Amino acid sequence: DTVLTQSPALAVSPGERVTFSCRASESVFKLMHWYQQKPGQQPKLLIYKASNLASGVPARFSGSGSGTDFTFTIDPVEADDTATYYCQQSWIAPWTFGGGTQLELK
Amino acid sequence: EVQLVESGGGLVQPGRSLKLSCAASGFTFSAYDMAWVRQGPTKGLEWVASISTGGDNTYYRDSVRGRFTISRDNDKSTQYLQMDSLRSEDTATYYCARWRFHDYFDYWGQGVMVTVSS
Repeated sequence: DTVLTQSPALAVSPGERVTFSCRASESVFKLMHWYQQKPGQQPKLLIYKASNLASGVPARFSGSGSGTDFTFTIDPVEADDTATYYCQQSWIAPWTFGGGTQLELK
Repeated sequence: EVQLVESGGGLVQPGRSLKLSCAASGFTFSAYDMAWVRQGPTKGLEWVASISTGGDNTYYRDSVRGRFTISRDNDKSTQYLQMDSLRSEDTATYYCARWRFHDYFDYWGQGVMVTVSS
């Protein structure tokens, strides 16, 4: 299975910029997607196919990358962004998710 | 508004069966592929199974193939997950999700808990 590696946690202050990373064990081309999961809630799609903003998602969320290295950025961060962020690849079945990065606000 | 509402979860003994349902509304259900994704107690997200619009094509992760069956009833706008021979490692919250272009999951239900324990 394609393994997606994310850093476990990040901490930033409101108003700052934060960048999440996701590294794939093999190339997934641009088929990487990003989700936000707040405590006690279901995941929510934010970015699809590396850099496309999902419907209704604010423009302060963005994504980039291709191949094995991908980034997801929030700029500026708001207090409501406290959540765990997951990447997911769809190049090779089974479709796999990263372990998630927990975002904490200072 | 897209809504996906799961039901059918609960506590079940190892080796027994359970059937999950997901009722969809707010979109033309028959036009979209669907999927189940689970999240274990200390785990991240794990794709379980997917089904094409007409139900002709189904896809499973290796650990559930032969034990789980995904199906759908387009007249009822509902998808199902029949889970047989359940194991403790199947314990998780199961999410129903709309699956786009065999790529990403653009809408998710609130999830239903399945606990496999004696």
